[in-house]
This record gives sequence, structure tokens and C-alpha cells, in this order.
Amino acid sequence: KAGVTQTPRYLIKTRGQQVTLSCSPISGHRSVSWYQQTPGQGLQFLFEYFSETQRNKGNFPGRFSGRQFSNSRSEMNVSTLELGDSALYLCASSLAGTGFGNTIYFGEGSWLTVV
Amino acid sequence: AQKVTQAQTEISVVEKEDVTLDCVYETRDTTYYLFWYKQPPSGELVFLIRRNSFDEQNEISGRYSWNFQKSTSSFNFTITASQVVDSAVYFCALVTSGTYKYIFGTGTRLKVLA
Repeated sequence: KAGVTQTPRYLIKTRGQQVTLSCSPISGHRSVSWYQQTPGQGLQFLFEYFSETQRNKGNFPGRFSGRQFSNSRSEMNVSTLELGDSALYLCASSLAGTGFGNTIYFGEGSWLTVV
Repeated sequence: AQKVTQAQTEISVVEKEDVTLDCVYETRDTTYYLFWYKQPPSGELVFLIRRNSFDEQNEISGRYSWNFQKSTSSFNFTITASQVVDSAVYFCALVTSGTYKYIFGTGTRLKVLA
């Protein structure tokens, strides 16, 4: 059974640019959530999508956005990149979402470096 | 407010030693779920265990065991006879019913030396 797939794995962007990251969940999973991981802030929740609807959002500025498609694949976008956006962006999927303690399964992440 | 504390930032042990990773959580909810994940250098967080607040039974899976104690709000993880392949960052996480958010601890980096 294929796991969560994230692309690209590594990318370097210039300050001010925008970036789009993609996530394909485990087959049959309808929920996708995104996390940012940095050495200073640890793992922080960005947002969760379930059946194409954003169900919850973390405390990130509006430059961070996402969407989910009808096939459950998800993308997140960061506009006007700042140096502090350099991080590992992790996508996780679950059958029915993170509510009620459903287990989420992570991809390998996308390493973003902003220069 | 919900919070997860992993006070041990980094632990180094010699292969075959036993090691315990501590996790203390805070929540006022009576229904909640606790998790442990392992993050090897590749970056992917690997699911290890899920426990709900009504099940305080300890669990053993091979060399791994977990001790859940509601009285002390702790969910500790022990690796018996550690191996070099156990070297990773381990995260404890909390989800309270209906919040839809995983709250992660800051992680404990485990180094197992040959």
C-alpha cells in the first residue's frame, strides 16, 4: 500500500517568491493535514482538509494557504516567501480526519530553503 | 489549554542499553488520545502507537513498551536493548476529542552509539 507522497522533496526559493507543495494521501484517505517543522518552533499545525473543505487552521499568516481536490490530493501554497519560511513541510493523511484521535500518517516532507 | 512536554532534548546511550523517553501532557478534557512517532533522518514521521484516555493498559511491542499513567499525566516510551537503528527523534502527541489538532511535543533526539 503506497504511503503519503510529497513533491518536491527539496527546493530552494528566493525571498519574495511563492511556492506550491503537493501531497498525495494514502489511497482511501479523505483527510490531509499540513505541518511546518523548524528547529526553533518544532512541529506546528498549518491546516487540515477533509473532502475538499478546510476543517481547521493553525496560527499562520494568510500567506499560507491550501486546497484539496476531489481525489483527496492536496496542495499548499506560500506566497511572498520570507527567510523564516525555511522549514520541513510535512503532509499527513488519515481516513476520517484528526478529530476523535484518528491516526495520521506522514509523508517524507518537502524541505524548503528560502534564500 | 493542551500541552505536551518532552523535557529530554537529547539522550545518548550505548547499544543494548535500555532507554526511557518521557512525555507529560496537559489537558482538561476527559477524552483524549496520545501518540508516539519516530522521525529518522529522512524526515518522515513514523507512527508507533496510539492510546486513548480510557485505556491505561501498558503495551509492549517487541523491544518497545509504553507506560500510560493518568495520575501523573504521563505516557512514557521505553526501548529495551537499544540498537543503532533506533537513533531518531521521537515525538509524543496529544489530540483531544473534537479539536482536530495534533499537539506535538518538542521531541527527544535519541542517539544510540555502537
